[in-house]
Amino acid sequence: KAGVTQTPRYLIKTRGQQVTLSCSPISGHRSVSWYQQTPGQGLQFLFEYFSETQRNKGNFPGRFSGRQFSNSRSEMNVSTLELGDSALYLCASSPTGENWQPQHFGDGTRLSIL
Amino acid sequence: AQSVAQPEDQVNVAEGNPLTVKCTYSVSGNPYLFWYVQYPNRGLQFLLKYITGDNLVKGSYGFEAEFNKSQTSFHLKKPSALVSDSALYFCAVRDRNSGNTPLVFGKGTRLSVIA
Repeated sequence: KAGVTQTPRYLIKTRGQQVTLSCSPISGHRSVSWYQQTPGQGLQFLFEYFSETQRNKGNFPGRFSGRQFSNSRSEMNVSTLELGDSALYLCASSPTGENWQPQHFGDGTRLSIL
Repeated sequence: AQSVAQPEDQVNVAEGNPLTVKCTYSVSGNPYLFWYVQYPNRGLQFLLKYITGDNLVKGSYGFEAEFNKSQTSFHLKKPSALVSDSALYFCAVRDRNSGNTPLVFGKGTRLSVIA
């Protein structure tokens, strides 16, 4: 079974631009969560989608948004990029997102803002 | 609110020696607990989970963890460390009793196994 796939793996942008990251979950998984990983803040939860609906949202500004498609694939968008948005963005999937289910992670998209 | 503490930023151990990576948690109800490992330039890889039942949980690659409710701890252990175990380890918690909630991670512990 294929794992979680994130594209692209690396991205370089400049301040003020916007970016869209993509995540394809494990086949049959309907819950997709997004995390931001930085050396200073560690792993921070961005949002979770289930059946095309945002079910949970972390404490990030409105510049961070996401969506989920009917095939469970998900995208996240960051607008008006800031230097502090440089991070590894991780996507994780699970069958239905219930609290006892382990999440399975992709290898991430490393976003660098110049 | 849920929280996880990993009190050690770095753990060094000699190859062949037992290893322990510490984790304590705080939830309002009962926890679901998880351990993940991250190798360089990779995502997080699931190692093991505590859901209910036996306090000693066995996972992948010879790792195990012991759930201690009175000490609110969930330490990761391995009887004999390998150099290939060197990586960043994360403990995570979700509250069993508060509906669908995000996974909350500790800051991570970097394990270095020296040959």
